[in-house]
Amino acid sequence: KQEVTQIPAALSVPEGENLVLNCSFTDSAIYNLQWFRQDPGKGLTSLLLIQSSQREQTSGRLNASLDKSSGRSTLYIAASQPGDSATYLCAVRVGDGSEKLVFGKGTKLTVNP
Amino acid sequence: EPEVTQTPSHQVTQMGQEVILRCVPISNHLYFYWYRQILGQKVEFLVSFYNNEISEKSEIFDDQFSVERPDGSNFTLKIRSTKLEDSAMYFCASEDRFPYEQYFGPGTRLTVT
Repeated sequence: KQEVTQIPAALSVPEGENLVLNCSFTDSAIYNLQWFRQDPGKGLTSLLLIQSSQREQTSGRLNASLDKSSGRSTLYIAASQPGDSATYLCAVRVGDGSEKLVFGKGTKLTVNP
Repeated sequence: EPEVTQTPSHQVTQMGQEVILRCVPISNHLYFYWYRQILGQKVEFLVSFYNNEISEKSEIFDDQFSVERPDGSNFTLKIRSTKLEDSAMYFCASEDRFPYEQYFGPGTRLTVT
């Protein structure tokens, strides 16, 4: 059974700092991995999608990497801003024909001005 | 930019009552999903729907739950007899074919009293 873990559970940084959020999964047989942003009481916004054959994806100040063999992904946020404050969720689409996403519990990020 | 919409944003119901949560997926998408998130917990997969039938469901999705695509635009989740433990945020998601990126709606907060 696929399990997704995100460390740390919470992170507080000063504005302008570069930071890394970590995601690990137990079964390396994944189809793809998505990073989401969730604001309090709101829905999930897809940030980046990495296919299992890819090593990284970039969107603006965000860069996500994937090391499928070791069951790890990282989300790098450059030059953090207060508007980046949110919970970041990692989710893997399990392989073997399943369509579901399995989520981690998220990392709550606070960027202080 | 196309988005998934959900109504209502908040629903309060009494235990034992039936509720219907509604979603309008992105118009050209083919795959539809329901997830839920109990307060403070992970987002959990409930069911996936493709070609007018359920393609996958979780252990949570028992006989009290049903899904329907009554017309070309709506996708609904029905809970026949709500329980206190059904209180959660329910998210609808949709996706097109490759790269199989799931897009989530803003959620419906269901409170069962």
